[in-house]
Amino acid sequence: GNSVTQMEGPVTLSEEAFLTINCTYTATGYPSLFWYVQYPGEGLQLLLKATKADDKGSNKGFEATYRKETTSFHLEKGSVQVSDSAVYFCALSDNSGAGSYQLTFGKGTKLSVIP
Amino acid sequence: DSGVTQTPKHLITATGQRVTLRCSPRSGDLSVYWYQQSLDQGLQFLIQYYNGEERAKGNILERFSAQQFPDLHSELNLSSLELGDSALYFCASSAGQGNNYGYTFGSGTRLTVV
Repeated sequence: GNSVTQMEGPVTLSEEAFLTINCTYTATGYPSLFWYVQYPGEGLQLLLKATKADDKGSNKGFEATYRKETTSFHLEKGSVQVSDSAVYFCALSDNSGAGSYQLTFGKGTKLSVIP
Repeated sequence: DSGVTQTPKHLITATGQRVTLRCSPRSGDLSVYWYQQSLDQGLQFLIQYYNGEERAKGNILERFSAQQFPDLHSELNLSSLELGDSALYFCASSAGQGNNYGYTFGSGTRLTVV
């Protein structure tokens, strides 16, 4: 079956530090890959996505590249801000049969950015 | 506002009871997915409906059921509730079923079983 493994948190960084959150996946088909962000007390918001190998998703200074050879989709940001403090989820969407493409999530990584 | 509306936002109920959670998808979206978020299990897929028909089941207990109505809103029914059912329940909607369609999440219903 499909699975997503992401680095355990929590991660604490100083403002303007470089961020990397590792994510690897296992899938039977050709999945699309996503990063979602969850701010305290809120739902999940799509941060970025990539639908095929070597695609780079980017948004709000965050980037992730779909690496089929290493089955990875690591999230990076060059300079984090306090407002980036949240929980980040790596996810994949794959055809699980009957035309369903539900998301499979990693366990989430909590990021805290201190001034 | 994501366009996906979930009600109620909070629900506190006793063990053994039954509750109904409601989700209105983003306008025009035909697919509704339900997810459960708990501290120990993370985000787990429960069930998906597409244009009124069930399309996929995940880790959904037999005590739980769902349906999607002609106006495309969906309800998740949880019965014989146990303490372990306490969690955040999210729904997400999508325009279609393929990988290239985005998923928009609601803000969730926090269920507390006491």
